[in-house]
Amino acid sequence: AQSVTQLGSHVSVSEGALVLLRCNYSSSVPPYLFWYVQYPNQGLQLLLKYTTGATLVKGINGFEAEFKKSETSFHLTKPSAHMSDAAEYFCAVSDRLYNQGGKLIFGQGTELSVKP
Amino acid sequence: SAVISQKPSRDICQRGTSLTIQCQVDSQVTMMFWYRQQPGQSLTLIATANQGSEATYESGFVIDKFPISRPNLTFSTLTVSNMSPEDSSIYLCSVEDWGQGAGGYTFGSGTRLTVV
Repeated sequence: AQSVTQLGSHVSVSEGALVLLRCNYSSSVPPYLFWYVQYPNQGLQLLLKYTTGATLVKGINGFEAEFKKSETSFHLTKPSAHMSDAAEYFCAVSDRLYNQGGKLIFGQGTELSVKP
Repeated sequence: SAVISQKPSRDICQRGTSLTIQCQVDSQVTMMFWYRQQPGQSLTLIATANQGSEATYESGFVIDKFPISRPNLTFSTLTVSNMSPEDSSIYLCSVEDWGQGAGGYTFGSGTRLTVV
């Protein structure tokens, strides 16, 4: 069974500073990994995903994440935080194998605050 | 990418009653997933619904409390039975979607349930 651990339920950064949100996963099959963002009282929005191929994945709004198999990690970064980045961020892992379906399991979430 | 119509979007229910949530997908899908998002929490997978077979429930969720129907490849319902205030959450359905431009998983807009 797969699982996700997000280190830090709350992260606070200053505007313009580096954003680093940590995610470690456990999976018995090659993982498909996702980052979602949720703004207050809104639905989930996909930031980026890793399936196969290049381990550095670029997403929307300047975010990127690197899949590191040896560290079972998929940390999310953004070089310069913006006030509009304040939201809840969820890392998720799927146990999808080749063309067989798989379920998506979410981490506990990290609330990002951005200080002016 | 797939489009999911989920309803109702919100409801306020009396304790002890049941609510059935519907999800309609605009394409045929093998698996549908049901999630719960309690206030301030992450998404927790309730069950996976396959057409023509019993749903598979995650640890902590039982069929008597959350019966699921999956009559065809485009439709599923989740019932929240004998509700208590602790069932107040957002309930979402989801499907895998690996089509052109899709993000891997598509989510319904959610049902915001308040039990009083």
